[in-house]
Amino acid sequence: GNSVTQMEGPVTLSEEAFLTINCTYTATGYPSLFWYVQYPGEGLQLLLKATKADDKGSNKGFEATYRKETTSFHLEKGSVQVSDSAVYFCALSDRAAGNKLTFGGGTRVLVKP
Amino acid sequence: DSGVTQTPKHLITATGQRVTLRCSPRSGDLSVYWYQQSLDQGLQFLIQYYNGEERAKGNILERFSAQQFPDLHSELNLSSLELGDSALYFCASSVGPGGGDEKLFFGSGTQLSVL
Repeated sequence: GNSVTQMEGPVTLSEEAFLTINCTYTATGYPSLFWYVQYPGEGLQLLLKATKADDKGSNKGFEATYRKETTSFHLEKGSVQVSDSAVYFCALSDRAAGNKLTFGGGTRVLVKP
Repeated sequence: DSGVTQTPKHLITATGQRVTLRCSPRSGDLSVYWYQQSLDQGLQFLIQYYNGEERAKGNILERFSAQQFPDLHSELNLSSLELGDSALYFCASSVGPGGGDEKLFFGSGTQLSVL
């Protein structure tokens, strides 16, 4: 079956530091890949997505590239802010299974001023 | 604000009881999804409804059931509650029936505590 593995947190960084959150996946087909973000007390919000190999998703300074050869979709941001403190979820959606999202376990990121 | 409304925000109940969680999707969205978020299981897909019909089923227990009404709001019913059912239950909605890369909009969740 499909699965998503992402690095465990918490990840603690200083403001303006570089952030990387690793995500790898296992899927039977050709999934779409997503990063969702959950701010404290809120629901998940789509951060970015990529629908095919070598696509790069980007939003709010975050980027992730769909790497089929390494089955990875690592999230990066060059200079984090305190407001980026949140839980980040990597997810995949297999077209053959409709829009059922399979999520990773989430990575909590804490950015200190 | 995602436009997805979930009520109540918090629910405290006892083992063996039954509760109903409610979700109103974004205006115009026809699909509703239910997810369970717990510390040990992470975020698990439970079930999806599209325009009143069950569309996809995930790891939903037999003690749980859901439905989507003609006005497109959805209810998740949890019965014979156990301590392990304590979790944050999210509802999400999307425009269509799902196609692999369709964007989901999540509500803020209902925190269920079973004592």
